[in-house]
Amino acid sequence: DQQVKQNSPSLSVQEGRISILNCDYTNSMFDYFLWYKKYPAEGPTFLISISSIKDKNEDGRFTVFLNKSAKHLSLHIVPSQPGDSAVYFCAASDGNDYKLSFGAGTTVTVRA
Amino acid sequence: DAGITQSPRHKVTETGTPVTLRCHQTENHRYMYWYRQDPGHGLRLIHYSYGVKDTDKGEVSDGYSVSRSKTEDFLLTLESATSSQTSVYFCAISEPVNTEAFFGQGTRLTVV
Repeated sequence: DQQVKQNSPSLSVQEGRISILNCDYTNSMFDYFLWYKKYPAEGPTFLISISSIKDKNEDGRFTVFLNKSAKHLSLHIVPSQPGDSAVYFCAASDGNDYKLSFGAGTTVTVRA
Repeated sequence: DAGITQSPRHKVTETGTPVTLRCHQTENHRYMYWYRQDPGHGLRLIHYSYGVKDTDKGEVSDGYSVSRSKTEDFLLTLESATSSQTSVYFCAISEPVNTEAFFGQGTRLTVV
């Protein structure tokens, strides 16, 4: 049973506009959340993370928002660039464990 | 880039044959993981290690075994490969809890 869910398999956005990726989780013990980016034929690379004691974390064009009561997090990319075209994975872990549970991924395509 | 090397990068094998994938790290990280990536499932944990000779099962461990005799090496063995084990396999490392994991470039395994 997948504890981290990304319900949108794909997202197409115009260059310069905002990309919003969503992620839901079911395990209330999760207290650390991460986003990874993956290009074809490469391994996932870490993008941004957030602890459950925060509701927002920002790093340049990337912002992650966490809504604990809804068990929902989102990744905002502003402005979207062609190099952002990739698969984005949401991941989560709990404080007693060092294993990451991943969502199925969302493929983002940035149109020129 | 984190020093993680996976070998081989590509392999085609026949059903019923044993296969061993190797992950080598130069970062001296304590934790190592093997994931598989499949369409619609994202990344799923196969096995992980929290120290030399300390390993445990992940969510999709059936048909796989692992060994870690040195900090830097984590081996994944398919005792008798099946077509359902055709996948892309990723090794990851992390240190300590609640920090990002770093991934290798992956091994594409095809079982025919």
